[in-house]
Amino acid sequence: EAGVAQSPRYKIIEKRQSVAFWCNPISGHATLYWYQQILGQGPKLLIQFQNNGVVDDSQLPKDRFSAERLKGVDSTLKIQPAKLEDSAVYLCASSLDKVPSNEQFFGPGTRLTVL
Amino acid sequence: AQSVTQPDIHITVSEGASLELRCNYSYGATPYLFWYVQSPGQGLQLLLKYFSGDTLVQGIKGFEAEFKRSQSSFNLRKPSVHWSDAAEYFCAVGAAAGNKLTFGGGTRVLVKP
Repeated sequence: EAGVAQSPRYKIIEKRQSVAFWCNPISGHATLYWYQQILGQGPKLLIQFQNNGVVDDSQLPKDRFSAERLKGVDSTLKIQPAKLEDSAVYLCASSLDKVPSNEQFFGPGTRLTVL
Repeated sequence: AQSVTQPDIHITVSEGASLELRCNYSYGATPYLFWYVQSPGQGLQLLLKYFSGDTLVQGIKGFEAEFKRSQSSFNLRKPSVHWSDAAEYFCAVGAAAGNKLTFGGGTRVLVKP
């Protein structure tokens, strides 16, 4: 079974530029998550989708971050404009459903460096 | 609000020695608790989880964890560490509704030969 795919793996941009990350979850997984992991910290949930609807985006900085999950499969996370403090690894995860007994499977992440 | 504290940022252990990683949580109801491992350049991999029942849970790679409600702790242990266990370990608590995970800050484990 293929795992969660993310691209690109690495991205370097200058502040005020825009950037987009892509995630392809495990086939059949209804729930998709985007986490931000700043160096030296644990991952922090940015947004959670159930199919193509948003379950939780309470920690998403909506003035600069946006995410969508069209057709309830792939998802993109966008930052516009980027700030220095957005430098982090962005992890995508998916689970069969949004109950706690469903394991979240994580992708390898996209490492973003903002100069 | 739920929170997780991992008091040890770094731990160095000799290969073959035992390992214990501490985790303390704050959650208003019965917690769903997880331990994940993250190797360099890799995503997070689930080691074990606790939802209910036996407070000593077994996981993959020879790890186990014990849930102690009175101490709000969920410490991870391994009797004999291998060099391949060098990684960062994260404890997390899950919400009953929505499966949102809140992670601790992580503990980096270094294994000496």
